[in-house]
Amino acid sequence: AQRVTQPEKLLSVFKGAPVELKCNYSYSGSPELFWYVQYSRQRLQLLLRHISRESIKGFTADLNKGETSFHLKKPFAQEEDSAMYYCALSRYNQGGKLIFGQGTELSVKP
Amino acid sequence: DADVTQTPRNRITKTGKRIMLECSQTKGHDRMYWYRQDPGLGLRLIYYSFDVKDINKGEISDGYSVSRQAQAKFSLSLESAIPNQTALYFCATSDGFEAFFGQGTRLTVV
Repeated sequence: AQRVTQPEKLLSVFKGAPVELKCNYSYSGSPELFWYVQYSRQRLQLLLRHISRESIKGFTADLNKGETSFHLKKPFAQEEDSAMYYCALSRYNQGGKLIFGQGTELSVKP
Repeated sequence: DADVTQTPRNRITKTGKRIMLECSQTKGHDRMYWYRQDPGLGLRLIYYSFDVKDINKGEISDGYSVSRQAQAKFSLSLESAIPNQTALYFCATSDGFEAFFGQGTRLTVV
């Protein structure tokens, strides 16, 4: 079965601390993996996709096919990073037909 | 200048009533999607459409129907609303690689 699991509902850290939001997936094939973010009162928006291998707002995520993971990391959290983060997967070229994880709320305290 | 616009933004309706949620997009994409978001469950796909004549059921289509009136418009209907359809509903469009979401419609069925 295709599934995305985010084990933490809430992650609370202090400003300047490292952050790691966990994401594991199960998929029979080669998925595309994404991180979407939803800031308070804003729409869901793409943060990262694994094929781009880029860093956005200091966040990075590496696809580990052996561990079927796509954890999101940032070395130094900022208060403006507080938001809801969703890990998602899709087939190639079906980046709108997404399977989402349950979401992790990141709270960065001053 | 929102690319994906949903109406209404909030709606309270009674059990058994028919209700339509509307979505329009200015991205020019063929692909459109309806998701519902429930706390602790993330977003789940209800229906999707790859073009005006192509409509497909998603993960949780029971109790819902859709209409693709034009490339830019994709409506979601609840034929006979029930309380467990209380949720936040998101419309999205995609170029195949990234999904662009509306701001959501908060629906409450009493």
